[in-house]
Amino acid sequence: AQTVTQSQPEMSVQEAETVTLSCTYDTSESDYYLFWYKQPPSRQMILVIRQEAYKQQNATENRFSVNFQKAAKSFSLKISDSQLGDAAMYFCAYQSGGSNYKLTFGKGTLLTVNP
Amino acid sequence: DTAVSQTPKYLVTQMGNDKSIKCEQNLGHDTMYWYKQDSKKFLKIMFSYNNKELIINETVPNRFSPKSPDKAHLNLHINSLELGDSAVYFCASSHNMKGNYGYTFGSGTRLTVV
Repeated sequence: AQTVTQSQPEMSVQEAETVTLSCTYDTSESDYYLFWYKQPPSRQMILVIRQEAYKQQNATENRFSVNFQKAAKSFSLKISDSQLGDAAMYFCAYQSGGSNYKLTFGKGTLLTVNP
Repeated sequence: DTAVSQTPKYLVTQMGNDKSIKCEQNLGHDTMYWYKQDSKKFLKIMFSYNNKELIINETVPNRFSPKSPDKAHLNLHINSLELGDSAVYFCASSHNMKGNYGYTFGSGTRLTVV
């Protein structure tokens, strides 16, 4: 079974600085998808960024980018120019490209942004 | 116009009661899910349906019964509620079973059993 590990339960960053959240996963598959979701205090789960395993190029979405290292099974999220609104719980998630039709989440990293 | 809507947002009930949570999506997605988020924020899948057919039933007690009258709706009925059922329940949908574009989540239902 696939597992997703987020080793940082909590992180903090100063406003306008850059922060990197770590995620590793365990799989024997070659075809899969990786995601970062954000859950602010409002509780809403928001998709931040996605990465297809077959693409070597790292995904970017505005201030959010990933460092995808397939061989190391690592998928970190970098948030540049951090804003107060980035404060949230961030979840890394794995989706099999095969027949295991479910999104498996890590335990989350709580990000605090200090003004 | 809300893409995935769940009702109610909050539910407080006594042990032993039966309750339902409703979910509707207007995205035209084929696949819908129920996830449970526990007090430590861990998200775990409970069920998934594809075009009204049950695809995943993840060792959930049979007190939990999902029902999908059509592909736009997935409701969750819980019988004989227990204290341990207290959690946030999220409904989600995806284009198809592969879910490779990610899921769209509802805003969650916080269930408190007293």
